[in-house]
Amino acid sequence: QQQVKQSPQSLIVQKGGISIINCAYENTAFDYFPWYQQFPGKGPALLIAIRPDVSEKKEGRFTISFNKSAKQFSLHIMDSQPGDSATYFCAAYTGSNYQLIWGAGTKLIIKP
Amino acid sequence: ETGVTQTPRHLVMGMTNKKSLKCEQHLGHNAMYWYKQSAKKPLELMFVYSLEERVENNSVPSRFSPECPNSSHLFLHLHTLQPEDSALYLCASSNTGSEGHNEQFFGPGTRLTVL
Repeated sequence: QQQVKQSPQSLIVQKGGISIINCAYENTAFDYFPWYQQFPGKGPALLIAIRPDVSEKKEGRFTISFNKSAKQFSLHIMDSQPGDSATYFCAAYTGSNYQLIWGAGTKLIIKP
Repeated sequence: ETGVTQTPRHLVMGMTNKKSLKCEQHLGHNAMYWYKQSAKKPLELMFVYSLEERVENNSVPSRFSPECPNSSHLFLHLHTLQPEDSALYLCASSNTGSEGHNEQFFGPGTRLTVL
């Protein structure tokens, strides 16, 4: 119940296309859902995050869609660029301890 | 230096060696974390320190020993490691303040290879 399941494991998208990464969870106590972006040789960095009281959050080309009833959330990258090529991790947090529960990551490649 | 720094960036050690990983955060945060990152797996939380006290220890083998001498520094002491311990070790820090949503800031990691 503490797991976050992330798919796909890898994704190739043409430049200008839409990249979509999906995550699912079971624990209804999660109240914060961040997405982290990791470039090679770097640690993960927070990209965008959402709380379950909203269904969508947009920051520039990055949008999180949240479906509370289905216990799913997804990251959409519009007009994908080669500079977006990275590994993306979804995560979930209950606020009751210090633990972020992480998905396994999606390696995104944007082809020029 | 800004953010979270880690040294060394790369480490190769034999199974009988003793080595230490160092992490320093320049963000004024009150919590620090050690994670293990292996390919195609979720990040594995190893240890958490809040206000210099260990608050989480996720069933990590005793060959990994953390130390947090102050709120800015975190060490991971390694001894008698196994080849399966080869991975990227990430340090992170956060401020568990009023927001409570625990945005974690990561260092670049130490790539550890155990021969």
